[in-house]
Amino acid sequence: DIQMTQSPSSLSASVGDRVTITCRASQSIGTYLNWYQHKPGKAPKVLIYAASTLLSGVPSRFSGSGSGTDFTLTISSLQPEDFATYYCQQSDSPPQTFGQGTKVEIK
Amino acid sequence: EVQLVESGGGLVQPGGSLKLSCAASRFTLSSYWMTWVRQAPGKGLEWVANIKQDGSERYYVDSVEGRFTISRDNAKNSLYLLMNSLRAEDTAVYYCARRTYDSDSYFLDYWGQGTLVTVSS
Repeated sequence: DIQMTQSPSSLSASVGDRVTITCRASQSIGTYLNWYQHKPGKAPKVLIYAASTLLSGVPSRFSGSGSGTDFTLTISSLQPEDFATYYCQQSDSPPQTFGQGTKVEIK
Repeated sequence: EVQLVESGGGLVQPGGSLKLSCAASRFTLSSYWMTWVRQAPGKGLEWVANIKQDGSERYYVDSVEGRFTISRDNAKNSLYLLMNSLRAEDTAVYYCARRTYDSDSYFLDYWGQGTLVTVSS
């Protein structure tokens, strides 16, 4: 199975800050990498798929990059509504594993 | 808009069984792979299983292989997860999600609100 490792596990940042979350796959997955946002009590929401394609309707402050084994989610200017946990997920092969999550807290 | 509604969660004793359902509406279920994802209390998301449009391919995470069975009834617009030999570590909110294909990639574009399964004596 492909293991997905995110870092950091949590972070605290101020409104307006640039935030970067990394995700590493245990083997090459090309660009078969998705990013999700999950808020307590809500359904997870996909932000980015195919490593860098922003889902329609997702604010442009979110961006993704990377290929192979190393990927990045960037929030260019953190907003209060961005308080959430973010997960990467590989869609290369089953089981389509998630990273352990990165909890973003607003300072 | 696309809607997914899970049901069937509840309290079950270790070793017991439970069958979850996911009612799909406002899209053609038979056109999509479908997936179950769970989140244990205080833990992250865990991919559990998925099933091809016609049910001909099914995949499971190792921890549920042989105990859980994913199935679907496209005529009834429903997805199911039969869970046998339940363990305390299966306690989680279970989500069903639609798997969409775009730009040569699959992702989970619509999710239900989840149903809680608690395995405890």
